[in-house]
Amino acid sequence: KAGVTQTPRYLIKTRGQQVTLSCSPISGHRSVSWYQQTPGQGLQFLFEYFSETQRNKGNFPGRFSGRQFSNSRSEMNVSTLELGDSALYLCASSFQGDNEQFFGPGTRLTVL
Amino acid sequence: DAKTTQPPSMDCAEGRAANLPCNHSTISGNEYVYWYRQIHSQGPQYIIHGLKNNETNEMASLIITEDRKSSTLILPHATLRDTAVYYCIVRVVSSSNTGKLIFGQGTTLQVKP
Repeated sequence: KAGVTQTPRYLIKTRGQQVTLSCSPISGHRSVSWYQQTPGQGLQFLFEYFSETQRNKGNFPGRFSGRQFSNSRSEMNVSTLELGDSALYLCASSFQGDNEQFFGPGTRLTVL
Repeated sequence: DAKTTQPPSMDCAEGRAANLPCNHSTISGNEYVYWYRQIHSQGPQYIIHGLKNNETNEMASLIITEDRKSSTLILPHATLRDTAVYYCIVRVVSSSNTGKLIFGQGTTLQVKP
């Protein structure tokens, strides 16, 4: 079956702009989690969506938000971009948010 | 914060077993031990998980000590493609942390020819 897909794979933005990233989970999976990976902080959990509802949230400012659609596809949005938002953004899908999570290839965001 | 301690790096000869240790001395009775790995520039990949019994799948074996304070991931015949960062994660699956993995710094395993 098809894996988790993320679009776009690469993105360059400037400070102050906003960005929307997309994640399509594995068919049948209802949970989508988002992570930020930077060299300094490593992999950090942003939030998780299940059945169109945010179920868990990490310790990130309100500029980071997300949503999930009825087909389980998810988007995350970062507003008022800062240089420190440059990172690899990963999404992971799972059936219900437990056990095995399947990660996508990530979106590499560069903020200039 | 991550509840696990792993060596920052390890080397292994190709074809030999790679044994990756993880210390989780504060693990609770209902917390599972999970292992993921991340090959350079890719998303993390699930390897295996267990509660207290040893587990084996097509990728690896997980050995958990009887007191559950540490575990070892074993890749029985390491190949160059196993070069990656390996993350040991402990988590309890509950309504408060579904979909949430807390990653530490992991162990960078370098498999050498």
